[in-house]
Amino acid sequence: AQTVTQSQPEMSVQEAETVTLSCTYDTSESDYYLFWYKQPPSRQMILVIRQEAYKQQNATENRFSVNFQKAAKSFSLKISDSQLGDAAMYFCAYRSARGSNYKLTFGKGTLLTVNP
Amino acid sequence: DAGVTQSPTHLIKTRGQQVTLRCSPKSGHDTVSWYQQALGQGPQFIFQYYEEEERQRGNFPDRFSGHQFPNYSSELNVNALLLGDSALYLCASSFPGQGASYNEQFFGPGTRLTVL
Repeated sequence: AQTVTQSQPEMSVQEAETVTLSCTYDTSESDYYLFWYKQPPSRQMILVIRQEAYKQQNATENRFSVNFQKAAKSFSLKISDSQLGDAAMYFCAYRSARGSNYKLTFGKGTLLTVNP
Repeated sequence: DAGVTQSPTHLIKTRGQQVTLRCSPKSGHDTVSWYQQALGQGPQFIFQYYEEEERQRGNFPDRFSGHQFPNYSSELNVNALLLGDSALYLCASSFPGQGASYNEQFFGPGTRLTVL
Protein backbone atom coordinates (compact mmCIF):
# COMPACT_ATOMS: atom_id res chain seq x y z
CA ALA A 1 0.00 0.00 0.00
CA GLN A 2 1.14 3.49 -0.75
CA THR A 3 1.73 6.01 2.02
CA VAL A 4 2.32 9.75 1.98
CA THR A 5 4.13 11.55 4.79
CA GLN A 6 4.21 15.26 5.47
CA SER A 7 6.61 15.85 8.33
CA GLN A 8 5.80 19.53 8.87
CA PRO A 9 2.45 19.98 10.62
CA GLU A 10 2.83 23.76 10.46
CA MET A 11 4.95 26.25 8.57
CA SER A 12 5.02 30.02 8.46
CA VAL A 13 6.42 32.49 5.96
CA GLN A 14 6.64 36.22 5.63
CA GLU A 15 4.71 37.81 2.80
CA ALA A 16 6.82 38.00 -0.40
CA GLU A 17 9.25 35.37 0.90
CA THR A 18 9.73 31.79 -0.29
CA VAL A 19 8.69 28.67 1.58
CA THR A 20 9.16 24.97 0.88
CA LEU A 21 6.79 22.27 2.07
CA SER A 22 8.08 18.71 2.30
CA CYS A 23 6.49 15.45 1.29
CA THR A 24 7.79 11.90 1.07
CA TYR A 25 5.94 8.87 -0.17
CA ASP A 26 6.36 5.15 -0.31
CA THR A 27 5.38 3.00 -3.26
CA SER A 28 6.58 -0.01 -5.17
CA GLU A 29 5.09 1.29 -8.40
CA SER A 30 7.09 3.00 -11.09
CA ASP A 31 4.31 4.98 -12.74
CA TYR A 32 2.16 7.32 -10.71
CA TYR A 33 1.06 10.91 -10.20
CA LEU A 34 1.82 13.27 -7.35
CA PHE A 35 -0.18 16.31 -6.38
CA TRP A 36 -0.26 19.26 -4.07
CA TYR A 37 -3.73 20.37 -3.00
CA LYS A 38 -4.63 23.56 -1.15
CA GLN A 39 -7.52 23.67 1.32
CA PRO A 40 -8.24 27.20 2.55
CA PRO A 41 -10.21 27.53 5.78
CA SER A 42 -13.84 26.55 5.18
CA ARG A 43 -13.29 26.45 1.45
CA GLN A 44 -13.00 23.83 -1.23
CA MET A 45 -9.86 21.86 -1.86
CA ILE A 46 -8.21 22.88 -5.10
CA LEU A 47 -5.37 21.40 -7.09
CA VAL A 48 -2.20 23.48 -6.99
CA ILE A 49 0.19 21.44 -9.07
CA ARG A 50 0.73 17.90 -10.33
CA GLN A 51 3.70 15.83 -11.41
CA GLU A 52 3.77 12.72 -13.57
CA ALA A 53 6.39 10.28 -12.30
CA TYR A 54 7.65 9.49 -15.80
CA LYS A 55 8.57 13.14 -16.37
CA GLN A 56 12.00 14.17 -15.18
CA GLN A 57 11.25 17.86 -15.48
CA ASN A 58 9.83 19.44 -12.35
CA ALA A 59 6.36 20.92 -12.73
CA THR A 60 5.81 24.66 -12.40
CA GLU A 61 2.64 26.69 -12.11
CA ASN A 62 3.30 30.42 -11.77
CA ARG A 63 4.67 30.95 -8.22
CA PHE A 64 4.40 27.24 -7.38
CA SER A 65 7.02 24.70 -8.29
CA VAL A 66 8.00 21.24 -7.16
CA ASN A 67 11.23 19.41 -6.54
CA PHE A 68 10.54 15.82 -7.56
CA GLN A 69 13.21 13.32 -6.55
CA LYS A 70 11.95 9.94 -7.73
CA ALA A 71 14.76 7.84 -6.33
CA ALA A 72 14.42 9.47 -2.94
CA LYS A 73 10.62 9.39 -3.16
CA SER A 74 10.49 13.03 -2.28
CA PHE A 75 8.11 15.67 -3.63
CA SER A 76 8.44 19.15 -2.13
CA LEU A 77 6.44 22.26 -2.99
CA LYS A 78 8.07 25.65 -3.26
CA ILE A 79 5.94 28.76 -3.04
CA SER A 80 7.71 31.90 -4.21
CA ASP A 81 6.66 35.48 -3.45
CA SER A 82 4.19 34.23 -0.83
CA GLN A 83 0.89 36.06 -0.64
CA LEU A 84 -1.66 36.33 2.14
CA GLY A 85 -4.05 34.27 0.02
CA ASP A 86 -1.61 31.37 0.10
CA ALA A 87 -2.49 30.73 3.74
CA ALA A 88 -4.16 27.33 3.86
CA MET A 89 -3.70 23.66 4.62
CA TYR A 90 -1.59 22.00 1.96
CA PHE A 91 -1.91 18.31 1.22
CA CYS A 92 0.45 16.14 -0.73
CA ALA A 93 -1.29 13.29 -2.55
CA TYR A 94 -0.42 10.20 -4.58
CA ARG A 95 -2.33 8.39 -7.28
CA SER A 96 -1.33 5.23 -9.03
CA ALA A 97 -1.22 5.28 -12.82
CA ARG A 98 -2.44 1.69 -12.85
CA GLY A 99 -5.79 1.51 -14.61
CA SER A 100 -7.69 -0.16 -11.78
CA ASN A 101 -6.53 2.13 -8.98
CA TYR A 102 -8.19 5.52 -8.96
CA LYS A 103 -7.95 6.68 -5.38
CA LEU A 104 -5.96 9.60 -4.07
CA THR A 105 -3.82 8.89 -1.01
CA PHE A 106 -3.22 12.01 1.04
CA GLY A 107 -0.72 13.03 3.66
CA LYS A 108 -1.84 14.62 6.92
CA GLY A 109 -1.24 18.11 5.64
CA THR A 110 0.86 21.16 6.45
CA LEU A 111 -0.80 24.30 7.75
CA LEU A 112 0.83 27.31 6.12
CA THR A 113 0.57 30.71 7.77
CA VAL A 114 1.57 33.82 5.83
CA ASN A 115 2.59 36.78 7.97
CA PRO A 116 2.16 40.33 6.63
CA ASP B 1 -20.53 26.14 -14.24
CA ALA B 2 -21.62 25.37 -10.67
CA GLY B 3 -18.75 23.03 -9.91
CA VAL B 4 -19.18 20.16 -7.47
CA THR B 5 -21.99 20.74 -5.00
CA GLN B 6 -22.79 18.87 -1.81
CA SER B 7 -25.72 18.87 0.55
CA PRO B 8 -26.31 19.41 3.34
CA THR B 9 -23.53 21.69 4.51
CA HIS B 10 -23.74 20.58 8.12
CA LEU B 11 -25.48 17.69 9.82
CA ILE B 12 -25.84 16.59 13.42
CA LYS B 13 -26.86 13.02 14.22
CA THR B 14 -26.81 10.73 17.24
CA ARG B 15 -25.10 7.39 17.58
CA GLY B 16 -26.90 4.55 15.86
CA GLN B 17 -28.73 6.76 13.38
CA GLN B 18 -28.37 6.64 9.62
CA VAL B 19 -27.34 9.50 7.36
CA THR B 20 -27.43 10.26 3.63
CA LEU B 21 -25.13 12.79 2.02
CA ARG B 22 -25.56 14.03 -1.53
CA CYS B 23 -23.22 15.15 -4.27
CA SER B 24 -23.74 16.66 -7.71
CA PRO B 25 -20.68 16.42 -9.94
CA LYS B 26 -19.22 19.17 -12.06
CA SER B 27 -20.90 19.50 -15.44
CA GLY B 28 -19.60 16.89 -17.87
CA HIS B 29 -18.11 14.66 -15.17
CA ASP B 30 -19.21 11.06 -14.89
CA THR B 31 -17.16 9.76 -11.98
CA VAL B 32 -17.69 10.50 -8.30
CA SER B 33 -15.38 9.71 -5.40
CA TRP B 34 -16.07 10.10 -1.70
CA TYR B 35 -13.51 10.89 1.00
CA GLN B 36 -13.68 11.17 4.77
CA GLN B 37 -11.56 13.88 6.37
CA ALA B 38 -11.31 13.63 10.15
CA LEU B 39 -10.27 16.73 12.06
CA GLY B 40 -6.57 17.42 11.58
CA GLN B 41 -6.13 14.62 9.05
CA GLY B 42 -5.89 14.26 5.32
CA PRO B 43 -8.84 12.89 3.35
CA GLN B 44 -9.27 9.11 3.30
CA PHE B 45 -10.74 7.42 0.24
CA ILE B 46 -14.08 5.73 0.85
CA PHE B 47 -15.13 4.62 -2.65
CA GLN B 48 -15.58 5.68 -6.25
CA TYR B 49 -18.61 5.34 -8.51
CA TYR B 50 -18.60 5.12 -12.28
CA GLU B 51 -21.46 4.05 -14.54
CA GLU B 52 -23.65 3.62 -11.44
CA GLU B 53 -21.32 0.96 -10.05
CA GLU B 54 -18.85 1.04 -7.18
CA ARG B 55 -15.56 0.34 -8.90
CA GLN B 56 -13.08 0.86 -6.10
CA ARG B 57 -13.40 0.87 -2.34
CA GLY B 58 -11.11 1.97 0.44
CA ASN B 59 -10.78 0.46 3.93
CA PHE B 60 -14.19 1.36 5.22
CA PRO B 61 -16.76 -1.00 6.74
CA ASP B 62 -19.96 -2.04 5.02
CA ARG B 63 -21.83 0.56 7.07
CA PHE B 64 -20.64 2.94 4.38
CA SER B 65 -22.51 2.49 1.14
CA GLY B 66 -23.24 4.58 -1.88
CA HIS B 67 -25.18 5.02 -5.01
CA GLN B 68 -24.79 6.79 -8.31
CA PHE B 69 -27.77 7.90 -10.35
CA PRO B 70 -28.14 8.05 -14.14
CA ASN B 71 -27.47 11.81 -14.03
CA TYR B 72 -24.11 10.99 -12.33
CA SER B 73 -25.08 12.49 -8.98
CA SER B 74 -24.25 10.35 -5.98
CA GLU B 75 -25.23 9.58 -2.42
CA LEU B 76 -23.17 8.38 0.50
CA ASN B 77 -25.06 6.45 3.18
CA VAL B 78 -23.70 5.65 6.60
CA ASN B 79 -25.62 3.29 8.87
CA ALA B 80 -25.32 2.74 12.62
CA LEU B 81 -23.37 5.94 13.15
CA LEU B 82 -20.46 5.92 15.57
CA LEU B 83 -18.83 8.86 17.30
CA GLY B 84 -15.78 8.22 15.13
CA ASP B 85 -17.77 8.90 11.99
CA SER B 86 -17.71 12.61 12.82
CA ALA B 87 -15.78 14.20 9.97
CA LEU B 88 -15.91 16.33 6.86
CA TYR B 89 -17.14 14.22 3.95
CA LEU B 90 -15.80 15.33 0.61
CA CYS B 91 -17.11 14.46 -2.80
CA ALA B 92 -14.89 14.73 -5.85
CA SER B 93 -15.81 14.37 -9.50
CA SER B 94 -13.74 13.70 -12.59
CA PHE B 95 -13.99 12.71 -16.27
CA PRO B 96 -13.86 10.55 -18.28
CA GLY B 97 -14.28 7.35 -16.36
CA GLN B 98 -11.94 4.92 -18.04
CA GLY B 99 -8.28 4.26 -18.43
CA ALA B 100 -5.12 4.94 -16.51
CA SER B 101 -4.68 8.49 -17.70
CA TYR B 102 -4.80 11.19 -15.14
CA ASN B 103 -8.13 12.93 -14.71
CA GLU B 104 -8.19 15.74 -12.20
CA GLN B 105 -10.54 15.29 -9.30
CA PHE B 106 -12.52 18.43 -8.50
CA PHE B 107 -13.67 18.63 -4.89
CA GLY B 108 -16.88 19.91 -3.41
CA PRO B 109 -17.07 22.02 -0.24
CA GLY B 110 -17.92 19.00 1.89
CA THR B 111 -20.55 18.05 4.42
CA ARG B 112 -19.59 18.41 8.07
CA LEU B 113 -21.11 15.49 9.98
CA THR B 114 -21.19 15.57 13.77
CA VAL B 115 -22.24 12.43 15.63
CA LEU B 116 -23.28 12.95 19.27
